[in-house]
Amino acid sequence: QTVVTQEPSFSVSPGGTVTLTCGLSSGSVSTGYYPSWYQQTPGQAPRTLIYSTNTRSSGVPDRFSGSILGNKAALTITGAQADDESDYYCVLFMGSGISVFGGGTKLTVL
Amino acid sequence: VQLQESGPGLVKPSETLSLTCTVSGASISSYYWSWIRQPPGKGLEWIAYISDSGSGKYSPSLKSRATISVDTSKNQFSLNLTSVTAADTAVYYCARRVQGTFDIWGQGAMVTVSS
Repeated sequence: QTVVTQEPSFSVSPGGTVTLTCGLSSGSVSTGYYPSWYQQTPGQAPRTLIYSTNTRSSGVPDRFSGSILGNKAALTITGAQADDESDYYCVLFMGSGISVFGGGTKLTVL
Repeated sequence: VQLQESGPGLVKPSETLSLTCTVSGASISSYYWSWIRQPPGKGLEWIAYISDSGSGKYSPSLKSRATISVDTSKNQFSLNLTSVTAADTAVYYCARRVQGTFDIWGQGAMVTVSS
């Protein structure tokens, strides 16, 4: 069974830079998995931030960026703000057609 | 484009959970559509998608119990999940899948499995 891994939690100082990652329990993440990233605040539906590895969704500030770092997909927030404090999820689209979400990262800005 | 989930908020154990997603602003025949759920306090779990041609694909862990279908005349798609247990208690989201992402999400529907 495919497991997508994310850091359970992360903390960043206001104005700082943080990189969250999205890996596979077995193997490497590549652009062929079309990694995408979502931000979710309590009680709200997820919001798309990044898709196809590094394409920002409409209206997403350019301080959010996506990439492949080593064998993982990565979401970098540059100049973190208080309202970036959220849960962040990645999802990978497998060749078989199924999608697999990571367990999510709870980001604290303090 | 807007998506709206609807269905019972309470389902008894062993019964079938049925949800419908009504799509406005887009033709349901032109895109892929998915169901995703989130148990209270936990992460997101992809359940299934239905393609623009009407074929479905399921999470291996739910494949034996889930059925996704589409009603083009009503611009809706639906999820049936049989033999539910308390572990199926979750917020259920419908979403549109394009270009390898879920770009539009419904607001979510909370479903509780309890007698």
